[in-house]
Amino acid sequence: AQSVTQPDIHITVSEGASLELRCNYSYGATPYLFWYVQSPGQGLQLLLKYFSGDTLVQGIKGFEAEFKRSQSSFNLRKPSVHWSDAAEYFCAVGQEYGNKLVFGAGTILRVKS
Amino acid sequence: DAMVIQNPRYQVTQFGKPVTLSCSQTLNHNVMYWYQQKSSQAPKLLFHYYDKDFNNEADTPDNFQSRRPNTSFCFLDIRSPGLGDAAMYLCATSRVGALHEQYFGPGTRLTVT
Repeated sequence: AQSVTQPDIHITVSEGASLELRCNYSYGATPYLFWYVQSPGQGLQLLLKYFSGDTLVQGIKGFEAEFKRSQSSFNLRKPSVHWSDAAEYFCAVGQEYGNKLVFGAGTILRVKS
Repeated sequence: DAMVIQNPRYQVTQFGKPVTLSCSQTLNHNVMYWYQQKSSQAPKLLFHYYDKDFNNEADTPDNFQSRRPNTSFCFLDIRSPGLGDAAMYLCATSRVGALHEQYFGPGTRLTVT
């Protein structure tokens, strides 16, 4: 069965610093990969997605992610973090059969000034 | 703007008193999902509708039921809420051809007293 691992439960970065959130997945075929962001008390917002093609995908709010098949990873990056980026970030993989998502446990991002 | 709407945003109910949460969508998507999310955890899929076909997750308690009277609306019924059912409830939608790409509503925060 597919699974998603986000190794970092919490990450703290300084405003203006770069950010990388890690995501590893287990999947037999080419996965459908997603990053979602959730602000406190809100629903999940889709940041970006990877289905096929270029392994570096651009998303909203200045985020990007790179699919690396050899490492089974789909890490999220942002060159310069803003205080408004403080939120919880979830990586997800589309289930091989059916129409469900498998979520990682999430990474809480704190931004310090 | 096309969107997923959840009402109410905050719901307080008493232990054992039935409660219904509402979700509507203007995206005209075929699939609608209900997730339960407890604090600092990933969303947990309860069930989903593919058009009128209901798909229950194996570990969803019988206490949770759902109705989808038409394409636009889906309801989550909790027949006898317990203290452990206090959580954020998220509704999401997806369309045929992009089934894994889910769009989430803002959620309903349920408190059980």
